[in-house]
Amino acid sequence: DAKTTQPNSMESNEEEPVHLPCNHSTISGTDYIHWYRQLPSQGPEYVIHGLTSNVNNRMASLAIAEDRKSSTLILHRATLRDAAVYYCILRDSGSGTYKYIFGTGTRLKVLA
Amino acid sequence: DAGITQSPRHKVTETGTPVTLRCHQTENHRYMYWYRQDPGHGLRLIHYSYGVKDTDKGEVSDGYSVSRSKTEDFLLTLESATSSQTSVYFCAIQGGSSDTQYFGPGTRLTVL
Repeated sequence: DAKTTQPNSMESNEEEPVHLPCNHSTISGTDYIHWYRQLPSQGPEYVIHGLTSNVNNRMASLAIAEDRKSSTLILHRATLRDAAVYYCILRDSGSGTYKYIFGTGTRLKVLA
Repeated sequence: DAGITQSPRHKVTETGTPVTLRCHQTENHRYMYWYRQDPGHGLRLIHYSYGVKDTDKGEVSDGYSVSRSKTEDFLLTLESATSSQTSVYFCAIQGGSSDTQYFGPGTRLTVL
């Protein structure tokens, strides 16, 4: 199963952009890259996902390297409410089901 | 928010007793998942279901069983609870053409 590697923690100042990196060197050609975040005492919530092209939505942007071995989640203006654990996940395409393999994620701290 | 609830939200039990956690959805989604989350670990998949009466094991299935007799309910049973099963349990649903999983609020289980 393909795995992801993320830094354990990062800090950002409020109102500044945040770039959260993820390495996934063993990604297969059909694996989608998903990002979820988990606020304290809540279940994970979907942020964004993509396959090859960069993606944007109202929450964030996802930049995917050309070789797909890494990706970066971009929060354009961090707010205090963005403080959470961010998970980069590859959907396990080998089994034909939608199984996710979670890593330990990056804990983002936003400084006022 | 996706219509997904978990019950109970908190439970304290003793070693050796059976425990059943319930996940209920109102979205009529095909896929349902049970995860556990422990300090130092991301979410780990216990079991999942891809339809009524269709279930399969995840990466940490030992000591757990599941049942899905109707689309809306996915039950997780600990036949004889152990202290190592003290954890926060999350249910997730997924369906339609979306590759997104929606998570419930979690159940905090303590086994004494």
